[in-house]
Amino acid sequence: QSALTQPASVSGSPGQSITISCTGTSSDVGGYNYVSWYQQYPGKVPKLMIYAVSNRPSGVSNRFSGSKSGNTASLTISGLQAEDEADYYCSSYTGSGTVFGGGTKLTVL
Amino acid sequence: QLHLQESGPGLVKPSETLSLTCTVSGVSISSSNYYWGWIRQPPGKGLEWIGTIYNSGSTNYNPSLKSRVTVSVDTSKNQFSLKVSSVTAADTAVYYCARNYDSSGIRLDYWGQGTLVTVSS
Repeated sequence: QSALTQPASVSGSPGQSITISCTGTSSDVGGYNYVSWYQQYPGKVPKLMIYAVSNRPSGVSNRFSGSKSGNTASLTISGLQAEDEADYYCSSYTGSGTVFGGGTKLTVL
Repeated sequence: QLHLQESGPGLVKPSETLSLTCTVSGVSISSSNYYWGWIRQPPGKGLEWIGTIYNSGSTNYNPSLKSRVTVSVDTSKNQFSLKVSSVTAADTAVYYCARNYDSSGIRLDYWGQGTLVTVSS
């Protein structure tokens, strides 16, 4: 299984919205509604932000939303805040396991 | 409150076997319907899924690691374990254990703090 494709970096100014894409294949992202997103600060443990494409765990801000179209999933962060600066990873079910994306570094300008 | 804690050697010699244990507290592995998994992250790099186990012992592994990886569960100790054989420097990483909320493996909602394992002679 190959890693899902994410942009290496994205940036935005406070208050703006940004979208991070996650591209896979029909064998993973496109084949199942099982895509999740994780936020990770440097040296910290990843935190689940979105699961099953668009569901937010309890306690996660509604500024975070997820969607999927075909083989590409997306994470949108609205009303960007300085605290959103972190690495973001997507993950997808593959039918027999899990595959992660390479990660995207979000910079808040 | 659910808590996971990784334990094991922080230094392993090349060609030897890496062994880690994840101790779970706050929920019983044997009486719950959760899955339990291992993920690793090489220094400065991204996350890599290693494998997942259910309390029955049923496992799924990353195809790229399958020949060298074994995940097992000890319900009597409320622990699950990871073994990676024939390690090389490429296996140097922070190793995390995590709870999978369901069999999809993508809902990793509780993580251990992670343990750095360095492969070096």
